[in-house]
Amino acid sequence: GQQVMQIPQYQHVQEGEDFTTYCNSSTTLSNIQWYKQRPGGHPVFLIQLVKSGEVKKQKRLTFQFGEAKKNSSLHITATQTTDVGTYFCAGRVTGTASKLTFGTGTRLQVTL
Amino acid sequence: KAGVTQTPRYLIKTRGQQVTLSCSPISGHRSVSWYQQTPGQGLQFLFEYFSETQRNKGNFPGRFSGRQFSNSRSEMNVSTLELGDSALYLCASSLAGGQEAFFGQGTRLTVV
Repeated sequence: GQQVMQIPQYQHVQEGEDFTTYCNSSTTLSNIQWYKQRPGGHPVFLIQLVKSGEVKKQKRLTFQFGEAKKNSSLHITATQTTDVGTYFCAGRVTGTASKLTFGTGTRLQVTL
Repeated sequence: KAGVTQTPRYLIKTRGQQVTLSCSPISGHRSVSWYQQTPGQGLQFLFEYFSETQRNKGNFPGRFSGRQFSNSRSEMNVSTLELGDSALYLCASSLAGGQEAFFGQGTRLTVV
C-alpha cells in the first residue's frame, strides 16, 4: 500500500536556527497537506499544495511540492519556541477520493 | 462556529470489552474520517464516511467499525478490545473530503 515517510524523525535546534522536514511518498500524489500537532494537542492544518513544483510561503514557513508530485518539504526559517511540535505531511493518491495518508511525522524541539 | 467535538475525552476499558466513540463534525461538513494515533505507528487511517456511506477504509481488523448518521455525526466502535488498541482516536471533518481536515481533540482510550 501507499507509504509516506518523513525525515528526520526528530530534530532539536537552537532558537534562531533553520529547520527542514522532508516528506516522500511511494506513489504519486494528487495533492499534499501539512499539519502541525503541538504536544498534547491535535493536528492543525497548515497548508495544501496541488501543483507540481508549487512553492507556498506562510511567514517563516516555506512549503514545496516536488516536480514528480511524490515528495514535499517544509522549511522553517529562524525557528522560535512556538514552532515546537510534530509536523506531518499528508497525501492523497489520485483515484482514492478523500483518503488521506499521513507521513510518519517529524518532531521539532526548539530550545533557547 | 463550533469545532469538531469528540466524546468522551478519556476512556479506560478492560480487555475483551467493546467501546463506542462519538464525533460531531463542524456544521455543514459531510465528510468524517477517523484515525488511530500511537507513538510507534503515527497517524493511521481507519475509515471515512460521507453522507452516511463508508467511502474509504484503512487496514484495520473487522473489530473496528463505524457509521455516520443523517446529521453527519459519526460513531466508531471497537469490539473485543485488545491491549494494543490503546491509543488516541482522532476524528476529522471536512466539507466533502479532499480539503482541509479539521481535527477534534481526540479520545484517549486505555485498555487494561
